[in-house]
Amino acid sequence: ETGVTQSPTHLIKTRGQQVTLRCSSQSGHNTVSWYQQALGQGPQFIFQYYREEENGRGNFPPRFSGLQFPNYSSELNVNALELDDSALYLCASSSTTGMYGYTFGSGTRLTVV
Amino acid sequence: AQRVTQPEKLLSVFKGAPVELKCNYSYSGSPELFWYVQYSRQRLQLLLRHISRESIKGFTADLNKGETSFHLKKPFAQEEDSAMYYCALGGYGGSQGNLIFGKGTKLSVKP
Repeated sequence: ETGVTQSPTHLIKTRGQQVTLRCSSQSGHNTVSWYQQALGQGPQFIFQYYREEENGRGNFPPRFSGLQFPNYSSELNVNALELDDSALYLCASSSTTGMYGYTFGSGTRLTVV
Repeated sequence: AQRVTQPEKLLSVFKGAPVELKCNYSYSGSPELFWYVQYSRQRLQLLLRHISRESIKGFTADLNKGETSFHLKKPFAQEEDSAMYYCALGGYGGSQGNLIFGKGTKLSVKP
C-alpha cells in the first residue's frame, strides 16, 4: 500500500506566474484535500475533490483551482502568484467520509519571489 | 464560526513528567476531532481520532462537549514524543472532508 506522494518537493516561482502542484492519493482513497501551511501556522483548507468534482472550498480566491482525475490523483493550480502564496502545500487523501482521518503527503514548498 | 484553539505555542517538560496539550474548539454541531503529529523532518500523521477512543503511543484524548475541549494527555513523557502537535476539527458543513487545524503546539521533552 503506497502513501500520498506529492511533486515537486520544492519550487521557486516569480510573482505573477502560474504553478501546478501534483498529488497521488493513497491506495483505496477516493477523496483528496489540499491545504496551505504558512510558516508557524496550522494547515488551512483550500478545497477538496471527490469523484472529480470540487466538494467544499475554504476561504481562498478563484485563482486557486484544482482537478481530480479518474485514478483519484489531483492537481492544485495557482494563477497570478503573489508573494503571500509562499507556503508549504499539503495534499491529504481519505476515504469518502474522512471520519477515520486523513493521510498527508510530505508537501510541496513553494517560494514566490 | 468553526475554530480550533491551541493556547500554547510551546510546551516544555522533562522526561517522565505528565503532559497535557490543550485544544478547545468552537462548533455547534457534532464535532469530529483529531490529533495530528509532525515529528522532525516527517510528514503530518494522524495520532488520535475521538471516535475510536483509543490510546496511541501512550496518548489519550477525551472529548468534553460541555467544555468544548479535546485535550491530549500522556502520563509519562518520553524524549521521542518531542514534535509538533495539531488539533483538528472535522465533520462540519456539507462536506465531511474539511479539517480546521489549530496553530499547533510544539512539545519539547528534555532528558
